Amino acid sequence: EIVLTQSPATLSLSPGERATLSCRASQSVSTFLAWYQQKPGQAPRLLIYDASNRATGIPARFSGSGSGTDFTLTISSLEPEDFAIYYCQQRSSWPPLTFGGGTKVEIK
Amino acid sequence: EVQLLESGGGLVQPGGSLRLSCVASGFTFSNYAMGWVRQAPGKGLEWVSIVYPSGDRTAYADAVKGRFMISRDNSKYTLYLQMSSLRAEDTAVYYCAKDLVLRTTSALFDHWGQGILVTVSS
Repeated sequence: EIVLTQSPATLSLSPGERATLSCRASQSVSTFLAWYQQKPGQAPRLLIYDASNRATGIPARFSGSGSGTDFTLTISSLEPEDFAIYYCQQRSSWPPLTFGGGTKVEIK
Repeated sequence: EVQLLESGGGLVQPGGSLRLSCVASGFTFSNYAMGWVRQAPGKGLEWVSIVYPSGDRTAYADAVKGRFMISRDNSKYTLYLQMSSLRAEDTAVYYCAKDLVLRTTSALFDHWGQGILVTVSS
């Protein structure tokens, strides 16, 4: 099973600042890595798939990069609605599909 | 507009059974794989199961294998999760989710239901 480790657990930033979230895989997942956003009381939303492709309707301030075992989600300038929890997910080797433990982006 | 509406959750005793349903609309259901993902209270996301578009192929997380069964009725636009031998650790919000890609599975979920709570407790 591929284990995904996200860091930091919590990121405290102000609106307008740049957010950089990390996801590290226990073995190579090539570029088969996705990112989801989840707000309190809501279902997750697909943001990025295959490391760097934005899903339909996702603003350009969200970008993804990386390959192999190290991946980054960058939010170039935080909007108020971006404060949420972000999860990475791999689809390189499954079952099982696996998610990271999440990074909470909170208002500083 | 894609919509996914789960039902069938609730309180069940350990060892009991429950069947979740997810009614889909806004897309051609038979063209897409569908999955279940759960989230224990205050915890992260955990993949549960997936079924291919025609229903002929399925996959499960080890934690539920042999206890849960995923199925679909394409004529009714409905996804199911039959859960048996339930344990306290199965307590979670269960989301049904639609696969991103047509006619196969990408194992990426681009639309999610609102979730349904299953509580396993005596």
